[in-house]
Amino acid sequence: KAGVTQTPRYLIKTRGQQVTLSCSPISGHRSVSWYQQTPGQGLQFLFEYFSETQRNKGNFPGRFSGRQFSNSRSEMNVSTLELGDSALYLCASSLKAGVTDTQYFGPGTRLTVL
Amino acid sequence: AQTVTQSQPEMSVQEAETVTLSCTYDTSESDYYLFWYKQPPSRQMILVIRQEAYKQQNATENRFSVNFQKAAKSFSLKISDSQLGDAAMYFCAYRSPNTGNQFYFGTGTSLTVIP
Repeated sequence: KAGVTQTPRYLIKTRGQQVTLSCSPISGHRSVSWYQQTPGQGLQFLFEYFSETQRNKGNFPGRFSGRQFSNSRSEMNVSTLELGDSALYLCASSLKAGVTDTQYFGPGTRLTVL
Repeated sequence: AQTVTQSQPEMSVQEAETVTLSCTYDTSESDYYLFWYKQPPSRQMILVIRQEAYKQQNATENRFSVNFQKAAKSFSLKISDSQLGDAAMYFCAYRSPNTGNQFYFGTGTSLTVIP
């Protein structure tokens, strides 16, 4: 079974631009979560989607948004990029959204904002 | 918010030896789960081991075991017979159904395995 895939793997943008990252979960998984990883703040939860509905959202500004499609694929959008948005963005999928459901992580998208 | 603390930014261990990574957490919840994730240089996070708070028995997965001290809110990871492939960043994480099931991660411990 294929793992979680994220596209693109690397991205370079300039301040003020917007960006869309994509995550394809493991086949059959209906829950997708997004995390931001930076050297300063570590791993921080962005949001979780289950069956196209956002179930939970972390403490990030409204510039960060996401959605999930009927095939469980998810996209994350960041508008009006800031230098501080440079990070590794990780996506994780699980079968359902329960606390005992193991989350499987993708390789991440490295976003650099210049 | 729940906090997870890993006080050892870096650790090293000789190949075939044993190493213990520390983790403490702060919560007022009684129902929660604790995890250790490994992130090798390839960057893909991998679940190492999981512990349910209601279980007194420490979880074990092959060479990996935990020492879960609920009263002390401590959750350390022991790696026995360390191998070169164990070199990675290790993250301790907390999750509770009462906080939306989101993960709270520690800052990580970078483990080096010396041949």
